[in-house]
Amino acid sequence: AQRVTQPEKLLSVFKGAPVELKCNYSYSGSPELFWYVQYSRQRLQLLLRHISRESIKGFTADLNKGETSFHLKKPFAQEEDSAMYYCALFPPGAQKLVFGQGTRLTINP
Amino acid sequence: EAGVTQSPTHLIKTRGQQATLRCSPISGHTSVYWYQQALGLGLQFLLWYDEGEERNRGNFPPRFSGRQFPNYSSELNVNALELEDSALYLCASTGNLYLTRTEAFFGQGTRLTVV
Repeated sequence: AQRVTQPEKLLSVFKGAPVELKCNYSYSGSPELFWYVQYSRQRLQLLLRHISRESIKGFTADLNKGETSFHLKKPFAQEEDSAMYYCALFPPGAQKLVFGQGTRLTINP
Repeated sequence: EAGVTQSPTHLIKTRGQQATLRCSPISGHTSVYWYQQALGLGLQFLLWYDEGEERNRGNFPPRFSGRQFPNYSSELNVNALELEDSALYLCASTGNLYLTRTEAFFGQGTRLTVV
């Protein structure tokens, strides 16, 4: 079964500190993986996807097939990064996005 | 460009009643997904419609149903409402080009409260 696990429901770091949101997935093939973000009072939106290999708002995520992980990282957290973050898996053929439980990130001043 | 729109924003129903939620996808998008976001449970996949057909269904009872209209808008119906159906229901749409197929654009959601 396809599954996404985000082990931390809550994560709190200080402004300027590095941040890492963990994501592990369960899928035997080659999935597409995404990070979605939901800022306060805004709709859920795509942050980045692994196939793009891009950095968005200073965030990067590397797909590690050996560890089946897709952790989201940022070297220096900003207060505006406070939000709910969801890791999502799109298994080709399943035609649905499978989301993790989400991690609420709080950046303290 | 208008985003995904959902109506109503809030809906209060009594246990046993029926609820109808509506979603209009981004212009040009043919796929509509429905998700339930219950407190503490993350996003649970409900239904996927594409080109007017139900293509996939999540692990929900049959009283959760829906349809997609020729203009690609969609309706989610929940019959015989139960208290635990109280949640935020999110609709998302995706395009029909390979490169954008898997990027989902979400609406603001409909907050359903069952009392």
